[in-house]
Amino acid sequence: RKEVEQDPGPFNVPEGATVAFNCTYSNSASQSFFWYRQDCRKEPKLLMSVYSSGNEDGRFTAQLNRASQYISLLIRDSKLSDSATYLCVSTDKLIFGTGTRLQVFP
Amino acid sequence: NAGVTQTPKFQVLKTGQSMTLQCAQDMNHNSMYWYRQDPGMGLRLIYYSASEGTTDKGEVPNGYNVSRLNKREFSLRLESAAPSQTSVYFCASSTPGRLWGVAFGSGTRLTVV
Repeated sequence: RKEVEQDPGPFNVPEGATVAFNCTYSNSASQSFFWYRQDCRKEPKLLMSVYSSGNEDGRFTAQLNRASQYISLLIRDSKLSDSATYLCVSTDKLIFGTGTRLQVFP
Repeated sequence: NAGVTQTPKFQVLKTGQSMTLQCAQDMNHNSMYWYRQDPGMGLRLIYYSASEGTTDKGEVPNGYNVSRLNKREFSLRLESAAPSQTSVYFCASSTPGRLWGVAFGSGTRLTVV
């Protein structure tokens, strides 16, 4: 089993929708995570960090559930520009998930 | 401030040829990484260097070697390229505590024919 796993999607949602992705991890000792966004095979770019208290930045909310060993990313009021692949990564070994593809349509 | 710079951006190799991918960062980061990305596989860690003078294997090190030349530079070498090494390669760097995430270079698209 990979250390970090994600549903590859794609998630197809209309503009304005709320969408959530989960990322499960196998190492119970993992302390923190990041969510990255990647466009069209360009380099991944940091979206937000996720620690025990969670994190919110505008339309984006990330949370960590230690009991069930998953992190989540919630995107509210989806925009066309949110279409991308979202990668989660555990900071202890910098192992990335395979990514979840989001497609927002008009 | 250029961040993480990778060269070349594109490369085509014949099977059996060798080449070195270069990476340099100007953010004074201690740790540097090489990843490859293939469709459906996500980013897979090839090698990393936690600090100058140290290197360690990642998930998929076979067929690759690395050199941490100094704090700024971390190169990846393919001694005898194989078609299975066709991929997009990303170099990255981070601070020791990784609190600010990992900064990536723009990638090298390598095709081995």
